Amino acid sequence: EVQLVESGGGLVQPGRSLRLSCAASGFTFDDYAMHWVRQAPGKGLEWVSGISWNSGSIGYADSVKGRFTISRDNAKNSLYLQMNSLRAEDTALYYCAKDMYPNTLDDAFDIWGQGTMVTVSS
Amino acid sequence: EIVLTQSPATLSLSPGERATLSCRASQSVSSYLAWYQQKPGQAPRLLIYDASNRATGIPARFSGSGSGTDFTLTISSLEPEDFAVYYCQQRSNWPRGTFGQGTKVEIK
Repeated sequence: EVQLVESGGGLVQPGRSLRLSCAASGFTFDDYAMHWVRQAPGKGLEWVSGISWNSGSIGYADSVKGRFTISRDNAKNSLYLQMNSLRAEDTALYYCAKDMYPNTLDDAFDIWGQGTMVTVSS
Repeated sequence: EIVLTQSPATLSLSPGERATLSCRASQSVSSYLAWYQQKPGQAPRLLIYDASNRATGIPARFSGSGSGTDFTLTISSLEPEDFAVYYCQQRSNWPRGTFGQGTKVEIK
């Protein structure tokens, strides 16, 4: 079964850091681009960051550029999101998601995890 | 930056009725447009990719059309399980995957 499982969320004070992880299984992880998408409570979906299968291409939403870093470890079938200088507006459910086709960069997201909640508050 | 505008914000319909949801892009995204369904407490589910292709396991009552800047998701006859929030997403400028603000389909 193709599966994505996020972890690492929690309550953190403004200005502090947090690292999210996404464990992938059931597919050849190192063939697929991966993404982080977030959803603030009661709001819509916001794309946060994406990384190509070989980490050669990376991008960020303007709202997190310079504060968040996406990475992956293909040997461990894992995706990460290092979040620094957290703000209240970063409070959201963070999903990892998989590109639909291998070795391409313009696909829809066909598999999503269940998300991990990040709350930034003093 | 490409902006996606969905309309209407809310659609109030009865089971069996036809639903027509719109997504307009601020510039051409070719056919790199997807539609997702999200129910409360669940992750989004891919319905349509490349503007008009149904994802695996998606019923035939869901269809997508359009190209360039104007897109439509049609649900031909609403089933009780179709009442949810629907998002469009563009994938024309890697790696960005901008989403629209969503359309809620609610029971009238």
